[in-house]
Amino acid sequence: TQLLEQSPQFLSIQEGENLTVYCNSSSVFSSLQWYRQEPGEGPVLLVTVVTGGEVKKLKRLTFQFGDARKDSSLHITAAQPGDTGLYLCAGPLGGATNKLIFGTGTLLAVQP
Amino acid sequence: GAVVSQHPSRVICKSGTSVKIECRSLDFQATTMFWYRQFPKKSLMLMATSNEGSKATYEQGVEKDKFLINHASLTLSTLTVTSAHPEDSSFYICSAGRTGGQPQHFGDGTRLSIL
Repeated sequence: TQLLEQSPQFLSIQEGENLTVYCNSSSVFSSLQWYRQEPGEGPVLLVTVVTGGEVKKLKRLTFQFGDARKDSSLHITAAQPGDTGLYLCAGPLGGATNKLIFGTGTLLAVQP
Repeated sequence: GAVVSQHPSRVICKSGTSVKIECRSLDFQATTMFWYRQFPKKSLMLMATSNEGSKATYEQGVEKDKFLINHASLTLSTLTVTSAHPEDSSFYICSAGRTGGQPQHFGDGTRLSIL
């Protein structure tokens, strides 16, 4: 069974601090996606990483895919209150389906 | 703009009522759509895969007679929570992908509250 464990589960920080969220699995994924979800809304795709070792940047967010494609990280520099939300990694289950398995989630609160 | 529309956004109803939630792909055809359930501050849990023109595929532990899925057209899937009870209260989210499946686009979810 493929599982995606995220850490930390909860994170409360002050505006301007840096943080890293981890997404780990014992299984290899062809790609991993990161989403951010705000209360009462659906998840919004931030990035997809495909190649082992790949690093992608989205403004203050840096995403990395592990060399073995079993893990990924999201680093936020100088967090802002607008970064508050539930961060989810997700990966395709593979095979003939397009199913996604979601990570356990990281709830981030950035205090002004 | 939104490419997947979900309706209604919020439902409050009495125990025993059946509730239908719609998921529409707005500018593409989706042979497959997915339904998720989410508890407060928790991750998304896949309930079932909705297949156009055929039966839905349910994940282990999901009661197919409780959560009826119909995917009658390439742009619409519906989830009906039958004889809903308070424990069915949750946030339900659908997703759909263009040809090739990825990335998935998510609806804005439906908050179901059963009194």
